[in-house]
Amino acid sequence: DTGVSQNPRHKITKRGQNVTFRCDPISEHNRLYWYRQTLGQGPEFLTYFQNEAQLEKSRLLSDRFSAERPKGSFSTLEIQRTEQGDSAMYLCASRFPGQGIGGYTFGSGTRLTVV
Amino acid sequence: GIQVEQSPPDLILQEGANSTLRCNFSDSVNNLQWFHQNPWGQLINLFYIPSGTKQNGRLSATTVATERYSLLYISSSQTTDSGVYFCAPLDNYGQNFVFGPGTRLSVLP
Repeated sequence: DTGVSQNPRHKITKRGQNVTFRCDPISEHNRLYWYRQTLGQGPEFLTYFQNEAQLEKSRLLSDRFSAERPKGSFSTLEIQRTEQGDSAMYLCASRFPGQGIGGYTFGSGTRLTVV
Repeated sequence: GIQVEQSPPDLILQEGANSTLRCNFSDSVNNLQWFHQNPWGQLINLFYIPSGTKQNGRLSATTVATERYSLLYISSSQTTDSGVYFCAPLDNYGQNFVFGPGTRLSVLP
């Protein structure tokens, strides 16, 4: 297992289009997290899953955003009707609770540019 | 929610120099992590340090939870240390990190 995998690495889209990102966590990690990082800032929490259940959503996650984790494996994050303000790096992380916080592992992210 | 401040915002060092990065947080925390984000965007765990001191090679970290700050020390810096260093306590529910704004470090050869 090579870690948390995110695809695509880069996405350029026109304003108003829909985009979907994928995250494949480390296989035994049952918790999966999405964060958003805008230029020059630290990452901000969006949502997290335990297995297939979405347990928490940040108020940053507007109704244009939806995340799923069918079967508790990979996760997708969809943004509908993209806006220029959605341009950011979208980071996925996973962990196995028994490892503690030190087991939190981030992927390399998907960089979204909305033009 | 927890507020996190980091200083300095930017730091330029000559290779071989030492540095201290500081993180202040607004509330008591039970968990705190230091991360390094490399120039390619990858976030790497450095230390889980809710209190006390830990060392790993040229890096060490100290958290004084009662005074609500944490320090990251980098000794004999190398160009590969360049990137952004984030301090991130867990939120009050213990699941999600609250990241500070980061310290951008550039180590020159």
